[in-house]
Amino acid sequence: RKEVEQDPGPFNVPEGATVAFNCTYSNSASQSFFWYRQDCRKEPKLLMSVYSSGNEDGRFTAQLNRASQYISLLIRDSKLSDSATYLCVVNPRYSGAGSYQLTFGKGTKLSVIP
Amino acid sequence: DVKVTQSSRYLVKRTGEKVFLECVQDMDHENMFWYRQDPGLGLRLIYFSYDVKMKEKGDIPEGYSVSREKKERFSLILESASTNQTSMYLCASSYSDRPNYGYTFGSGTRLTVV
Repeated sequence: RKEVEQDPGPFNVPEGATVAFNCTYSNSASQSFFWYRQDCRKEPKLLMSVYSSGNEDGRFTAQLNRASQYISLLIRDSKLSDSATYLCVVNPRYSGAGSYQLTFGKGTKLSVIP
Repeated sequence: DVKVTQSSRYLVKRTGEKVFLECVQDMDHENMFWYRQDPGLGLRLIYFSYDVKMKEKGDIPEGYSVSREKKERFSLILESASTNQTSMYLCASSYSDRPNYGYTFGSGTRLTVV
């Protein structure tokens, strides 16, 4: 099983639609979870952290299910500007010396269509 | 805002050249990382550093080396560039003791080796 797995898409949705992405991770000891957004030919940027109780930021809702080892991102009322690739990111391992590393999924591409 | 600055957005180099990619961060982050990103392969970790003069190999270190002489600067060196090193290179940095903050990325260097 890959460390972090996502459906690559693409998801093509009309403006105003609700779209959900799921992601699974393999290491049950993982501690931190994130969604990053990456626009075409740009760097990934942190969209939101994912907390155990679930969290919301405007139109975006992130959920974590530790028992099933999956993370979800829900986007409501999609805008054209939401078109991007969404990366699921997990902190699965501790590299020692007070450090940590993140593992990135390959991303799910979203295209919002007028 | 944390800034991670990569010295070049675009570079074209010849096969066999020695190539230096520079990355500077201004937030006193302990950790710094170099990734490459290729279509369909996602982000792949080349090297990382959790302290000055410390470095650890990532998943694909072959053909690369790194240098971290100062806390704010992390350099990636392609000893003898080859065409299969044509890629987008992304630098990132993070705190060592705040895993919930995630990484901050530079804007990337698109390297073409001809």
